[in-house]
Amino acid sequence: AAGVIQSPRHLIKEKRETATLKCYPIPRHDTVYWYQQGPGQDPQFLISFYEKMQSDKGSIPDRFSAQQFSDYHSELNMSSLELGDSALYFCASSPRGNSYEQYFGPGTRLTVT
Amino acid sequence: RKEVEQDPGPFNVPEGATVAFNCTYSNSASQSFFWYRQDCRKEPKLLMSVYSSGNEDGRFTAQLNRASQYISLLIRDSKLSDSATYLCAVFTGTASKLTFGTGTRLQVTL
Repeated sequence: AAGVIQSPRHLIKEKRETATLKCYPIPRHDTVYWYQQGPGQDPQFLISFYEKMQSDKGSIPDRFSAQQFSDYHSELNMSSLELGDSALYFCASSPRGNSYEQYFGPGTRLTVT
Repeated sequence: RKEVEQDPGPFNVPEGATVAFNCTYSNSASQSFFWYRQDCRKEPKLLMSVYSSGNEDGRFTAQLNRASQYISLLIRDSKLSDSATYLCAVFTGTASKLTFGTGTRLQVTL
């Protein structure tokens, strides 16, 4: 079965650089979520989109922005990167009519040096 | 206090043992509950949803106690391949997000 696709899988950036993470949800899933997981931490919700509109916002820094496109893929844009942004970034999607069950992609490991 | 709390473990059990994890949540408006399994450096994978009536999937049984605001996961006949971190997750309808516990690490040994 098709899963959530994330790219890139690994990314190394320097402080103050920008990064763009991409997420392609499971086909016919209309809701996308972004989570950040630091070392030894649980996943923390950043932001979500439903039908291309932002539906909820969590602990996302102002330096980050995201959007969902007409084909339902989503991009997380991160600017002025800081060392503390080093983490695993997961995208999850949920099917139409069932936003409760979220299926996670393999994640993007971002390292800021 | 975290909204969702779990004993971090680790739980070290021999193969074939039965092990149980508990998770408590503080928001009484929480609507849906899940157990996820996460292997090291991998994504959380949905293990099972948790219903008020309890549900079972093979060796795994999940229970929800709304009055006491906790959920549990029971694993019977543990296998080496069950070694992972088990995250409980709570969905509150006012926000379309999952709130995770910190996870309980399970190590199954020979």
